[in-house]
Amino acid sequence: GAVVSQHPSWVICKSGTSVKIECRSLDFQATTMFWYRQFPKQSLMLMATSNEGSKATYEQGVEKDKFLINHASLTLSTLTVTSAHPEDSSFYICSARGLAGARGELFFGEGSRLTVL
Amino acid sequence: AQSVTQLDSHVSVSEGTPVLLRCNYSSSYSPSLFWYVQHPNKGLQLLLKYTSAATLVKGINGFEAEFKKSETSFHLTKPSAHMSDAAEYFCVVGDSGNTGKLIFGQGTTLQVKP
Repeated sequence: GAVVSQHPSWVICKSGTSVKIECRSLDFQATTMFWYRQFPKQSLMLMATSNEGSKATYEQGVEKDKFLINHASLTLSTLTVTSAHPEDSSFYICSARGLAGARGELFFGEGSRLTVL
Repeated sequence: AQSVTQLDSHVSVSEGTPVLLRCNYSSSYSPSLFWYVQHPNKGLQLLLKYTSAATLVKGINGFEAEFKKSETSFHLTKPSAHMSDAAEYFCVVGDSGNTGKLIFGQGTTLQVKP
């Protein structure tokens, strides 16, 4: 099946620094990517929808200036957590949908665990 | 608005016995429904999906789910649990318009005892 890769898998950073997480579709072109956040023992919450070549659409309550999303190509979307604080520590998961459009299957990355000290 | 409710936060079964993970949905239209599995510190794997075709959906690893419109349910079952089935399971509904957005249930932790 299709593969979506996230990097890094684990990252630890100091409070106040910025962290970039990459989401790549390895064997297909992804017109749309989604970023989710998952707190320990909780469900996934959609943060934003990222469309190639356009601005991301953020869900209500998600700070777009804090969680910068860039989808510069059909195989790469990045999430940058700016000025990270301990409360941003979480598991971030991306999913990608291929060129089949609305009926294209979604594939999930393995997730990136962020710990802010 | 669409939503899903997973009725059990934790289910414990013995290896070799049946598994039932319950899910109810709320939707104003004919929904797309999914079950995903997540192993610790891993991403999500699609088990099966319902998209208005057959109401009994067969998935991977012996799992299946039945869409019951009258009961607004989409329960996940497996005849015989295996130790490797121990994981977190999410019932998910696709939002209207097939935008690709998914709305996740709270998850059910499946424990399989030897």
